[in-house]
Amino acid sequence: DTEVTQTPKHLVMGMTNKKSLKCEQHMGHRAMYWYKQKAKKPPELMFVYSYEKLSINESVPSRFSPECPNSSLLNLHLHALQPEDSALYLCASSQDSSRDTQYFGPGTRLTVL
Amino acid sequence: QQQVKQSPQSLIVQKGGIPIINCAYENTAFDYFPWYQQFPGKGPALLIAIRPDVSEKKEGRFTISFNKSAKQFSLHIMDSQPGDSATYFCAASINGNQFYFGTGTSLTVIP
Repeated sequence: DTEVTQTPKHLVMGMTNKKSLKCEQHMGHRAMYWYKQKAKKPPELMFVYSYEKLSINESVPSRFSPECPNSSLLNLHLHALQPEDSALYLCASSQDSSRDTQYFGPGTRLTVL
Repeated sequence: QQQVKQSPQSLIVQKGGIPIINCAYENTAFDYFPWYQQFPGKGPALLIAIRPDVSEKKEGRFTISFNKSAKQFSLHIMDSQPGDSATYFCAASINGNQFYFGTGTSLTVIP
C-alpha cells in the first residue's frame, strides 16, 4: 500500500473560520510533509515532520498550524486565512526525512472567501 | 533564486513522438533527482528518479538522461500517448531533505 490519503478533497471557508486538513498514511513512514501548490506552479514546502517532531518550518504564517498526533497522521489547522491562501494543499510522506522517495496524497483544494 | 531550472514551460507533441523536458541545477551537493507527473486536481506522482552516479535510467517508456559535468538532466518519453498529457516536474534534493522543484512543464500529446 503506497497510498497517502487526504480529507477533505475540497474545502471552502471564510476568513474567520477555523478548519483542519487531515492526512493519513499506513506505510510506516516516519517523515511527513505539507506542501502548498498554486495553479500552474510547483509545490512549495511548508512543514516537515520527522519522527513526529517538527523539523522544518519554511517561515509559514502562524495562521497555519501543523500537528502530528502519531506517526500515521498529520493535520494542518487553519485559522483566519486570507483569500491568497487558496490553493491545493498536498501532504506527502517518506520512509524518513533522509530517504528520497516522497509519496504525495491527492491534495485538498482550499478556497478562502 | 530558482534552484532547479526547467524548460520548456509547455510542450505539444503528436502521439508517438518523443517529448524531451530539460532541467538544470547549480548546487553540486544535490544527490537525488526525481521526476513527478501530475494530472489536474491530483497530487504529484513519482515517475522515475536518478542519482548522479549513473548517466541514464529507463523505466518503461520513461528515460532520464543525466549529465553530471553539465549539471543537467532530462526526461524523455518514448512513444508518447494522449494519456501522458500532464504536468511534469523535475526536482533535486540533498539526502532526501527539502526537495527543490522545477517550475513544471505542461505536456499535451495530440492523438
